[in-house]
Amino acid sequence: DTGVSQDPRHKITKRGQNVTFRCDPISEHNRLYWYRQTLGQGPEFLTYFQNEAQLEKSRLLSDRFSAERPKGSFSTLEIQRTEQGDSAMYLCASSLSAANEKLFFGSGTQLSVL
Amino acid sequence: GENVEQHPSTLSVQEGDSAVIKCTYSDSASNYFPWYKQELGKRPQLIIDIRSNVGEKKDQRIAVTLNKTAKHFSLHITETQPEDSAVYFCAASKFTDKLIFGTGTRLQVFP
Repeated sequence: DTGVSQDPRHKITKRGQNVTFRCDPISEHNRLYWYRQTLGQGPEFLTYFQNEAQLEKSRLLSDRFSAERPKGSFSTLEIQRTEQGDSAMYLCASSLSAANEKLFFGSGTQLSVL
Repeated sequence: GENVEQHPSTLSVQEGDSAVIKCTYSDSASNYFPWYKQELGKRPQLIIDIRSNVGEKKDQRIAVTLNKTAKHFSLHITETQPEDSAVYFCAASKFTDKLIFGTGTRLQVFP
């Protein structure tokens, strides 16, 4: 499968625990995005990378959230001290380059915080 | 920053009828407008996109129109089929910037 892959598909955790998600973009794609989606809403931008550089982080993102893309390939999104409000689908997407290229989404990681 | 509004939130049509979904955006510098289809439990998938240098684009039963002056764009689906039932999202972005999505339209096509 040469699409965007995310792991795990589902994560159930208790409030206060830390969680980490992984995204593997399409291999030649330079841009990698993280979005969050709650039921009945559109994907909400969290952060994005151009190769290994994190170019922007949403103002809505608290300092409990951190993302990395250490070698410009896969990326991880960590949420520390999870809260019930963090429950959502976390979507990763990648695109070939910066110039308005088409975004390809992964299947997402569904996080449930109990 | 960019803000994208989408209407209607739900749309029910009879099979064979047309469906139209409308979006407005706030940033006049936005120049890329894709539409995504998301079936239940699946990833959003790009179905059509348009750039600001054209006013209309068609792909079989799907078309998108763009009015830059009014800052709105629309998705048109003709001869709807039950498999068109899904949630549709519009989005907008400026050159090299991230996509901002609308809130989605749930389309139901009844046989």
